[in-house]
Formats: sequence, structure tokens, C-alpha cells
Amino acid sequence: EAGVVQSPRYKIIEKKQPVAFWCNPISGHNTLYWYLQNLGQGPELLIRYENEEAVDDSQLPKDRFSAERLKGVDSTLKIQPAELGDSAVYLCASSLGVANEQFFGPGTRLTVL
Amino acid sequence: QKEVEQNSGPLSVPEGAIASLNCTYSDRGSQSFFWYRQYSGKSPELIMSIYSNGDKEDGRFTAQLNKASQYVSLLIRDSQPSDSATYLCAVNAGGTSYGKLTFGQGTILTVHP
Repeated sequence: EAGVVQSPRYKIIEKKQPVAFWCNPISGHNTLYWYLQNLGQGPELLIRYENEEAVDDSQLPKDRFSAERLKGVDSTLKIQPAELGDSAVYLCASSLGVANEQFFGPGTRLTVL
Repeated sequence: QKEVEQNSGPLSVPEGAIASLNCTYSDRGSQSFFWYRQYSGKSPELIMSIYSNGDKEDGRFTAQLNKASQYVSLLIRDSQPSDSATYLCAVNAGGTSYGKLTFGQGTILTVHP
């Protein structure tokens, strides 16, 4: 069974530029999560989807971050414009139901110069 | 007080010893508990989940949960150098935050030959 797929794996951009990350969850997993992980810290939830619906986006900085999961399968997270402090690893995870085990993709390491 | 706290580490144990990793959480309504292993530069990998009080064993790993004390631990028996990684405790909240997974900051484990 294929795991969670993310792309790109690495991204280097200059501040104020836009950037987008893509995630394809494990087949059949209806719940999808985007996390941010800073060095030396645990992942922090940005947004959680149940099918197409964003059910928890309270930690998403909505002035510059947006996300979508139009068909309830893959998802895109966008930052526009990027700031220096956005440099981090962006992780996507999926689960079969909201309280079940979450499985992570390889992440996208973003560097903002 | 942080929602999920782990012993600060780093923890260093000799090969073959038992490594003990501890985690406390603040939300008494928390429903499910997970341990993830994260190698440097990689994404978190689920190694154990536990939902009810008591012990759960899987190979060399034993998770222990005590909801009354709001405490969850992970024991690694016969530690191997390949167990050297950061271990993340994650707690699935209850109540209005049901489904939100909160991570501790991680404990770095080093197993030396």
C-alpha cells in the first residue's frame, strides 16, 4: 500500500514569493492534515480536513496561508506571500477517521531567503 | 503549562538496555495516545498507539497509559543503535477539540554500542 505522497520535497524561495505544496493521502483515508514542524519541535496542526470540509483551521494563518481539498482526495497548501519565519518542514498526514492513527508523508522542507 | 510534555532528554542508554520515555498531558478528556519515532531529516513514523489504561506490547516496545495520572510512557527493551532517534508523544484531545493531535517537543534517544 502506498503511503502519503508529498511534493516537492524541498523548496527554496525568496521572501514575498508564493509557494504551494501538494499532498496525496493514503487511498481510502478520508481525513487529511497539514502540519508545520520547526527544528527541535513537534509537529503543529495547521488544518484538518474530513473529506472536502476543513473542520479545524484555527491554527492556519489565514492572511497568507490557504488550503484546499476540492475532491476529498489530494490537497494543496499555499503560502502567499512567504515570510522568513515560514521556513520549516510542512508535513501532510492522513487517517481513516478522525481519532485513528495518523500516517505522515515525507514532508516538504521550505527555506525562505 | 504545555498541553503535552516529554522528559527533556537527551537520553543516552547502552546497547541492550531498557530506554524509558515519559510523557504527561493536561487534557483529562484525551482519548487516544501515540508514539512516533523520527529519524533526523525524516518524517514521524508511528510505532505505537494506546487507547485504554494499562500496558500494550509490540515486539521490543511497550506503551503504558495511566489516565488518572495523565501519563503515558514508552519502554524500549534491548535497545539497539538503530533505535537512536527523536521520540514524539502525541495525544488526541477530547471534548470540543476531539480529533486534534497535539505533540510533545520530543525526546532525543541515543543508544551507544
